[in-house]
Amino acid sequence: SQQGEEDPQALSIQEGENATMNCSYKTSINNLQWYRQNSGRGLVHLILIRSNEREKHSGRLRVTLDTSKKSSSLLITASRAADTASYFCATSRETGTSYDKVIFGPGTSLSVIP
Amino acid sequence: SQTIHQWPATLVQPVGSPLSLECTVEGTSNPNLYWYRQAAGRGLQLLFYSVGIGQISSEVPQNLSASRPQDRQFILSSKKLLLSDSGFYLCAWSVLQGANEQFFGPGTRLTVL
Repeated sequence: SQQGEEDPQALSIQEGENATMNCSYKTSINNLQWYRQNSGRGLVHLILIRSNEREKHSGRLRVTLDTSKKSSSLLITASRAADTASYFCATSRETGTSYDKVIFGPGTSLSVIP
Repeated sequence: SQTIHQWPATLVQPVGSPLSLECTVEGTSNPNLYWYRQAAGRGLQLLFYSVGIGQISSEVPQNLSASRPQDRQFILSSKKLLLSDSGFYLCAWSVLQGANEQFFGPGTRLTVL
């Protein structure tokens, strides 16, 4: 299976601390994405990292990708209470059609305590 | 700018009743469209995707069907709901080909009683 698996399943930290979530997958990928979901809402795209990239930054977010280990990490620095949400990794691979299949992991639930 | 709408936001239906959830996208043409279901505290399960009008691919066998009568309209249906159809249904779109970042709608919470 290509599915990404996030680790840990749940994470609780104090405001101001850094939060690190990991994602592991099993097959070769085209790219990997991270999404955020607030409770009861739709998912919001955070960042996409391609298979030939090793690190990307977006504001307080830092994503790394290690294709040799088939893993990725999402680091949120200086966390805020508003960062409380579930975070999902999603992997995709080329299918040779107009649709690149995207598989979502089960997610990490992050709680940032004020 | 592009927007995606889903309705209704919440729905409570008896077992055996029909279902119709609608999703529309504005501000883009010829998008890929997706229906996902999310069980409580879980990840997303892809139900259907569409790369064009009338083109529907099903990912898992189930009690549901999908249709795309217009370029930016995607409908999820059922003739007879089961208890197991309860969940949070999300519609999403992405650009046809190229980077496959997906943009999600607000979701529909379906409870089958």
